[in-house]
Amino acid sequence: AQKVTQAQTEISVVEKEDVTLDCVYETRDTTYYLFWYKQPPSGELVFLIRRNSFDEQNEISGRYSWNFQKSTSSFNFTITASQVVDSAVYFCALSEAGYSTLTFGKGTMLLVSP
Amino acid sequence: DVKVTQSSRYLVKRTGEKVFLECVQDMDHENMFWYRQDPGLGLRLIYFSYDVKMKEKGDIPEGYSVSREKKERFSLILESASTNQTSMYLCASRPPDRGPANEKLFFGSGTQLSVL
Repeated sequence: AQKVTQAQTEISVVEKEDVTLDCVYETRDTTYYLFWYKQPPSGELVFLIRRNSFDEQNEISGRYSWNFQKSTSSFNFTITASQVVDSAVYFCALSEAGYSTLTFGKGTMLLVSP
Repeated sequence: DVKVTQSSRYLVKRTGEKVFLECVQDMDHENMFWYRQDPGLGLRLIYFSYDVKMKEKGDIPEGYSVSREKKERFSLILESASTNQTSMYLCASRPPDRGPANEKLFFGSGTQLSVL
């Protein structure tokens, strides 16, 4: 069975601090997909990134970066120089090949104060 | 711009009522999903559908049913609402499984349902 663990329930930082959101996953498949979603106060989940299990290259998009390590089954998300607009709940999710559904972690609420 | 629309943002119902939550997508997606979101529990899959008139149970289908009569519309039904069904309900859609598998989900803004 697949499982996603986000151990950090809530993180509070001050603007311009760097912050890392942890995600650990479990799966028996060799082919799988990992996702991060952002849920701002408006409620709609917004897709941030998808990673397949064969691509372990880290990715950077502006202030966002992702560190995928199969050896530790982790897919961590770092926000550099955080801003108030980054305040949201962030979800990590996993999908195994051949299945159309995503399994979500419980989410990490990030609060960035000015 | 792609859109998943949920008919109500907030809904208040009484215990025992039959409740319909509606979701419409304009992207011609085959796959549609209903999740509920609760504090500390994250998103849990209730039902999903990969085609018209097709439905599959998710992780927590008890107390719910669904209807998919048209491709663009996926309805979640609470046959007899109970207080433990007070939650945020999120609808999502996704293209079919061809090409790059498991394309991203597109979500609606959610319906906050309170059952009194």
